[in-house]
Amino acid sequence: DGGITQSPKYLFRKEGQNVTLSCEQNLNHDAMYWYRQDPGQGLRLIYYSQIVNDFQKGDIAEGYSVSREKKESFPLTVTSAQKNPTAFYLCASSHLAGRPDTQYFGPGTRLTVL
Amino acid sequence: AQKITQTQPGMFVQEKEAVTLDCTYDTSDQSYGLFWYKQPSSGEMIFLIYQGSYDEQNATEGRYSLNFQKARKSANLVISASQLGDSAMYFCAMREASYMDSNYQLIWGAGTKLIIKP
Repeated sequence: DGGITQSPKYLFRKEGQNVTLSCEQNLNHDAMYWYRQDPGQGLRLIYYSQIVNDFQKGDIAEGYSVSREKKESFPLTVTSAQKNPTAFYLCASSHLAGRPDTQYFGPGTRLTVL
Repeated sequence: AQKITQTQPGMFVQEKEAVTLDCTYDTSDQSYGLFWYKQPSSGEMIFLIYQGSYDEQNATEGRYSLNFQKARKSANLVISASQLGDSAMYFCAMREASYMDSNYQLIWGAGTKLIIKP
């Protein structure tokens, strides 16, 4: 089945550690996105990528890094520079051509810093 | 300035009743798209329905319809015959057409928590 997978579902990190969240899609979508969601709030864009080997910062990129070496994969690294990383992280993907360019989401990763 | 406003933080609705979730938006673009997503307690964001600004008909998808009033800049989601499984957070989002640097960002509302009572 086509879809977006994220792993792990739950992640615990000690302060000062970098962690990498996985996002894979087999929908042949061009664009991929990372969002952060804090309790009771909407989504905020961290990074997005429209093409392999290229990505742009979203509204809250500080303390995060990404790579897009393959069309199917868009991993997010939460670095120790991110001051408050405990949150729910959602990955999404979409076509760029045609309408609507609906974003489809993975199941999310819940990150907790201990 | 807030571009997507969802004025109802929470709603309780009796099962089988219809429910309307409000969304107003602010844009100066003529071409834009409006999306509704559902987020159950599991966390996954589920796409429900889309309305393009030039679409003449209101969008419908099964029990979901979008009451699009362009002059009032509102895009309310209507769920007919609500079910217990409709209990979730609902988010309205907008994509403006005036991309900056090919920016395909969605602008998100704060969401409405819908609880269906048996």
